[in-house]
Amino acid sequence: EAGVAQSPRYKIIEKRQSVAFWCNPISGHATLYWYQQILGQGPKLLIQFQNNGVVDDSQLPKDRFSAERLKGVDSTLKIQPAKLEDSAVYLCASSSVFGRAYYGYTFGSGTRLTVV
Amino acid sequence: DAKTTQPPSMDCAEGRAANLPCNHSTISGNEYVYWYRQIHSQGPQYIIHGLKNNETNEMASLIITEDRKSSTLILPHATLRDTAVYYCILRSNDYKLSFGAGTTVTVRA
Repeated sequence: EAGVAQSPRYKIIEKRQSVAFWCNPISGHATLYWYQQILGQGPKLLIQFQNNGVVDDSQLPKDRFSAERLKGVDSTLKIQPAKLEDSAVYLCASSSVFGRAYYGYTFGSGTRLTVV
Repeated sequence: DAKTTQPPSMDCAEGRAANLPCNHSTISGNEYVYWYRQIHSQGPQYIIHGLKNNETNEMASLIITEDRKSSTLILPHATLRDTAVYYCILRSNDYKLSFGAGTTVTVRA
């Protein structure tokens, strides 16, 4: 099966600019996640979608970050305005849950954001 | 917040088994233990998961203690391509994965 697609692969912006990341999950995966991974740390969950509804966005800095998942498929994560500390890799993951028949998330390769 | 404890780093000789420990003393009865690894510049890759019983797949084996307070991931024959950061994670009931810092495994020739 095709993996989770993310774009762009790299992005460099100046602070206070805006940026958007795109994610296309594995076909049929109802659950989609955005993670932020700062260099040297494990990924940190930002937001979780179930179909096109938000399940958990408690870790999303809502003053500058926003995310949507239209029609329960593709998703975009936006940062506006960006700060230096937003420099990180942004990972998208998707999963399919069917009761106990659940195996794991599939992650994309991520978008590496550098804010200068 | 991560609920697992792993050593920050470990070395392994190529061709030998690599045993990666993980402590999860506060695990609840319905939390699964998941292992992922992340090779440089890639997204995390699923390895294996389990609840109570030991599990084995083509990549690794997972040994979970009877009290479920710790587990060990075993890579039976480590290769240079197994050099990565390995994460031991407890999957919550709401299907979220909370990553810790993981163990950096370096396989040496």
